[in-house]
Amino acid sequence: DARVTQTPRHKVTEMGQEVTMRCQPILGHNTVFWYRQTMMQGLELLAYFRNRAPLDDSGMPKDRFSAEMPDATLATLKIQPSEPRDSAVYFCASGTTPTGSTEAFFGQGTRLTVV
Amino acid sequence: SQKIEQNSEALNIQEGKTATLTCNYTNYSPAYLQWYRQDPGRGPVFLLLIRENEKEKRKERLKVTFDTTLKQSLFHITASQPADSATYLCALDAGANNLFFGTGTRLTVIP
Repeated sequence: DARVTQTPRHKVTEMGQEVTMRCQPILGHNTVFWYRQTMMQGLELLAYFRNRAPLDDSGMPKDRFSAEMPDATLATLKIQPSEPRDSAVYFCASGTTPTGSTEAFFGQGTRLTVV
Repeated sequence: SQKIEQNSEALNIQEGKTATLTCNYTNYSPAYLQWYRQDPGRGPVFLLLIRENEKEKRKERLKVTFDTTLKQSLFHITASQPADSATYLCALDAGANNLFFGTGTRLTVIP
């Protein structure tokens, strides 16, 4: 059963620490998204990749966030230094475009708490 | 500024009735519109996609309409069941294949 795998599922860290979240997209999917979900803002698009190349990361605070795809089986989202306002659930999703639009398959998310 | 609004934050409906959820957008020209379901503690799950040149799409008890003049999509669940209780999200794809989501409507189907 193909699915997007995210690690860790939960992370509690102190302000100022570096946080790295990992995502294994579904094999064969050429598009990867990173989203952040909070009660106030809903699902915000942070970055997305097509064939491992970053296409749009305009939703990401550049001074502290970075997203990469070192290879086709791994996407990472890094926050350095972390701040309490970064507390949220971070979702990775992967997909293809069989219909012209990407149908996104989401992972279970990483719940990040910065204290 | 660009906005995607799902008009009701929460909707309660009696089992067996038709639930209708609304998605309105401004300052977007989506080529596609998608609907997702999200259960607590889980990621969203894709349900349906409709193109800008399609007026209506159906899948089992689900129906989606897309009116590009009104800048609105309606999502209907007919013969609703308690198992349909979840948060439903609309997502816009302006053609670049990046997806922007609305804030969602939490649907509760009361037995």
